[in-house]
Amino acid sequence: DAKTTQPPSMDCAEGRAANLPCNHSTISGNEYVYWYRQIHSQGPQYIIHGLKNNETNEMASLIITEDRKSSTLILPHATLRDTAVYYCIVRVEFNYKLSFGAGTTVTVRA
Amino acid sequence: NAGVTQTPKFQVLKTGQSMTLQCAQDMNHEYMSWYRQDPGMGLRLIHYSVGAGITDQGEVPNGYNVSRSTTEDFPLRLLSAAPSQTSVYFCASKWGNTIYFGEGSWLTVV
Repeated sequence: DAKTTQPPSMDCAEGRAANLPCNHSTISGNEYVYWYRQIHSQGPQYIIHGLKNNETNEMASLIITEDRKSSTLILPHATLRDTAVYYCIVRVEFNYKLSFGAGTTVTVRA
Repeated sequence: NAGVTQTPKFQVLKTGQSMTLQCAQDMNHEYMSWYRQDPGMGLRLIHYSVGAGITDQGEVPNGYNVSRSTTEDFPLRLLSAAPSQTSVYFCASKWGNTIYFGEGSWLTVV
């Protein structure tokens, strides 16, 4: 699976959009981009995933660049409950073994 | 968490003792897996199963044993616990194209 690179931490103001970058420059054509988050001491929570098109659900939006070498997770209106570690993971189709890096620690401040 | 249930939530073991962490789901998910998470680190895959009677090793399988006699259950066994196995353990199962995690089992080996 392709390796991902994320900033170790970022701050965001409550009510503002949080834009979380992820670099996956070695991604292959059959690899998906997944985002999970882990709120302190809880199990990882699935947020969103995509292959090459931008995706949106009730939690977030995922923007994947045209060359697929990077992506951005957007939390449109961050709240204090969005404070968590966010993991960007690349997964080969039909391979469900997830490889977690260190992720980005996002702190939402009032 | 897509109905993944883990027990116990907390456990303290003495070195050399054995125990089983239970994981169950009642939604007929074929794929299940176990991860461990050490402090300040991402999750690492221990074992996984693609269906009843089929198991395979992940990234860190040593010291752990699994079996999958039914679709619903995927227990993780520690045959002789060591302090290095002090960790948080997460069970996960696949629904659709996504992996969902349980709430975790905190294990301390003294």
